[in-house]
Amino acid sequence: AQTVTQSQPEMSVQEAETVTLSCTYDTSENNYYLFWYKQPPSRQMILVIRQEAYKQQNATENRFSVNFQKAAKSFSLKISDSQLGDTAMYFCAFIPTQGGSEKLVFGKGTKLTVNP
Amino acid sequence: DTEVTQTPKHLVMGMTNKKSLKCEQHMGHRAMYWYKQKAKKPPELMFVYSYEKLSINESVPSRFSPECPNSSLLNLHLHALQPEDSALYLCASSLHWAGSLAKNIQYFGAGTRLSVL
Repeated sequence: AQTVTQSQPEMSVQEAETVTLSCTYDTSENNYYLFWYKQPPSRQMILVIRQEAYKQQNATENRFSVNFQKAAKSFSLKISDSQLGDTAMYFCAFIPTQGGSEKLVFGKGTKLTVNP
Repeated sequence: DTEVTQTPKHLVMGMTNKKSLKCEQHMGHRAMYWYKQKAKKPPELMFVYSYEKLSINESVPSRFSPECPNSSLLNLHLHALQPEDSALYLCASSLHWAGSLAKNIQYFGAGTRLSVL
């Protein structure tokens, strides 16, 4: 079974500081995608960043970057220069790219609060 | 453009009502999804349509009836719902069910907040 674990139910950070959200996953697949989705109080699930498992280089999108450790099955999200608009639930998710189940497997989420 | 549009944004219905949720995308995506999300929980997959055909039904009660009239439109028909069905219903779409490496990147709509009285 494929599982995604987010061990931090809630986190907080001061505006302009850096915060890291952790995510670990378990799979026997070799090829897959990992995602971080953000869901602010407005409730839209927004794709923040994605990582293809076959790529060694960590993905980066502006202030968001990941630390992908394939052997350790770890996929953490770093948010630099945190902004008030980053306050949201953050979900880590996994999906294989070939065969098997095509379902997104979500972690339980981390509620991030950015304080002024 | 990665827009998935859901209507209505909010819906209140009684247990004897019949209503429908609508989802639309114009990105050329050929897989579309319905999710149910309770507060402070991750989304739970309900249905998947691939090339306008139902490919996954996650043992959803028959009071939820999906429909995919064309490649851009996905509906969820609701009838005789229960109060525990109150939730945020999210629609998502992705490029292909098979083929492109980007096939499984799902883009979500803003959801319909459903309250069943």
